Amino acid sequence: QKEVEQDPGPLSVPEGAIVSLNCTYSNSAFQYFMWYRQYSRKGPELLMYTYSSGNKEDGRFTAQVDKSSKYISLFIRDSQPSDSATYLCAMRHSGGYQKVTFGTGTKLQVIP
Amino acid sequence: DTGVSQDPRHKITKRGQNVTFRCDPISEHNRLYWYRQTLGQGPEFLTYFQNEAQLEKSRLLSDRFSAERPKGSFSTLEIQRTEQGDSAMYLCALQELVNTEAFFGQGTRLTVV
Repeated sequence: QKEVEQDPGPLSVPEGAIVSLNCTYSNSAFQYFMWYRQYSRKGPELLMYTYSSGNKEDGRFTAQVDKSSKYISLFIRDSQPSDSATYLCAMRHSGGYQKVTFGTGTKLQVIP
Repeated sequence: DTGVSQDPRHKITKRGQNVTFRCDPISEHNRLYWYRQTLGQGPEFLTYFQNEAQLEKSRLLSDRFSAERPKGSFSTLEIQRTEQGDSAMYLCALQELVNTEAFFGQGTRLTVV
């Protein structure tokens, strides 16, 4: 069993929809939780990061972490065609050294 | 501009050949990471440098792989006797400050034929 599980999709939604992406994990030592966006043939780009449990909002994006359930989510409001990409959840232990464990990524398509 | 340059962007090589990739930070970062991403998967950690010291190597890094960071700035990743299973995107990531998140380069896509 993988440490981080993520539904690979693809997920197809109409423009303007609310998108919900999520991951589960098994390692309770993870303290930092990230979401990366990756366009085709590009490197991952950091979207959001959260320390421990709670919510974090940035524009149209909201990240949620529930450590008791080992479950993290990313919500995208008013989705746009430019949001079409693969979304990777990622997590790591605390401390400065960053060996990050990624999910497999969910491919999102927003249809105009 | 991601703050890190990777070269080449794409490499096609025949099985059994050696290849070398380079990662050039635009500014100084004491922590540098290499990851590998295969099709349909998330990136997987390969190795980590703090300045010129290689502090951790993943079990994914077989003895055909070697990474260096000779002066604590740029880094190279060499694969000897390439195999088709080495086909992947090789990503370099840098960390600016302790407890900030690392940022990735655009990667080198390796195709072994």
